[in-house]
Amino acid sequence: DIQMTQSPSTLSASVGDRVTITCRASQSIGRWLAWYQQKPGKAPKLLIFEASSLESGVPSRFSGSGSGTEFTLTISSLQPDDFATYYCQQYHTYSRTFGQGTKVEIK
Amino acid sequence: EVQLLESGGGLVQPGGSLRLSCGASGFTFSSYAMNWVRQAPGKGLEWVSSISGSGRAIYYADSVKGRFTISRDNSKNTLYVQMNNLRAEDTAIYYCAKERAVAGVMDFDYWGQGTLVTVSS
Repeated sequence: DIQMTQSPSTLSASVGDRVTITCRASQSIGRWLAWYQQKPGKAPKLLIFEASSLESGVPSRFSGSGSGTEFTLTISSLQPDDFATYYCQQYHTYSRTFGQGTKVEIK
Repeated sequence: EVQLLESGGGLVQPGGSLRLSCGASGFTFSSYAMNWVRQAPGKGLEWVSSISGSGRAIYYADSVKGRFTISRDNSKNTLYVQMNNLRAEDTAIYYCAKERAVAGVMDFDYWGQGTLVTVSS
């Protein structure tokens, strides 16, 4: 299976900060990568698909980039609603795997 | 509006069985592959199984292969997973998730609210 590794595991930031989360794949996955946001007690929500395509209704402060084995999720100006856990997911193979998650906390 | 609603979770003893259901509405159910994803308490997301729109293509994570069976009834717009020989490590919230497009291996654009399965004596 393809392993997905996110960094950092936890990130402390303030409202208005620019935040970047990294996701690395154990082998090339092209651009078959998605990013999800999950808040406590809620289901994950799709933010980004195909590495950089913004899901409908997702604020433009979220952006994704990368290809091959290294990807990033950037929040350009962190808002109070953005404090959550973020997961990357590869779908290069049917055995889709997620990163371990990055918790974005209030500094 | 797309809606996914899981049911069937609960407390079960190790070695026991449980069947989860996921009722779908708001889209052409038979056109989309569907998935089960689980999340152990305080842990990350783990893909469990997927089934194509027709039901002919089925895949499982190694951790559940041989114990879980995914199926669907397109006439009832419902997804199922039969879970047998349950272990403590199967304790998790189980989500059903719809794939974003009708072709290929996809990400998940809609998720249900989840149903909790607890395996304990």
